[in-house]
Amino acid sequence: DARVTQTPRHKVTEMGQEVTMRCQPILGHNTVFWYRQTMMQGLELLAYFRNRAPLDDSGMPKDRFSAEMPDATLATLKIQPSEPRDSAVYFCASGLVHGASGNTIYFGEGSWLTVV
Amino acid sequence: AQSVAQPEDQVNVAEGNPLTVKCTYSVSGNPYLFWYVQYPNRGLQFLLKYITGDNLVKGSYGFEAEFNKSQTSFHLKKPSALVSDSALYFCAVRDGSAGRRALTFGSGTRLQVQP
Repeated sequence: DARVTQTPRHKVTEMGQEVTMRCQPILGHNTVFWYRQTMMQGLELLAYFRNRAPLDDSGMPKDRFSAEMPDATLATLKIQPSEPRDSAVYFCASGLVHGASGNTIYFGEGSWLTVV
Repeated sequence: AQSVAQPEDQVNVAEGNPLTVKCTYSVSGNPYLFWYVQYPNRGLQFLLKYITGDNLVKGSYGFEAEFNKSQTSFHLKKPSALVSDSALYFCAVRDGSAGRRALTFGSGTRLQVQP
């Protein structure tokens, strides 16, 4: 059963520490998304990649967040330094998306981050 | 620009009764519309989508949704609710005319089905 895999599932860290979240997209998917979910803001798009190239990272605070795809099987989201306001659930999603296609994207189980 | 609105924070329905979760959208081009469900402490699960064709779309777990272009709506429906349907439901839209756009999600509607 193909699925998006995210690690860690849960992370508690102290303010100022670096946090790295990892995502393994579904094999064969060419587009990877990072979303953040909070009670106040709901689901926000942070960044997304197609064929490993960044297409849009306008939703991501550039001073402390960075997103990369070192290879087709790994996407990373890094926060350095972390702050309490970064506490949220971070979802990775992937899909096989071409141009204007309406293909479905599939979500991982999320990385639940708490910054104290 | 693309946006989606879910006007109800919560919907309460008795088990066995029909349910409707509302969604309206705004896009410049052709709308691609999706419904996802989120159970507690889980990721989002795909339910159904409208891309083109028949306005009534059937999806997982007995859910269906009706695309109404004139009212720019895509309401989620189920003829008979189950307690296990209680969850958070998200409507999402993508502008089909804009190849680079990601999905934009609504704020979510919590469905509570009472026994």
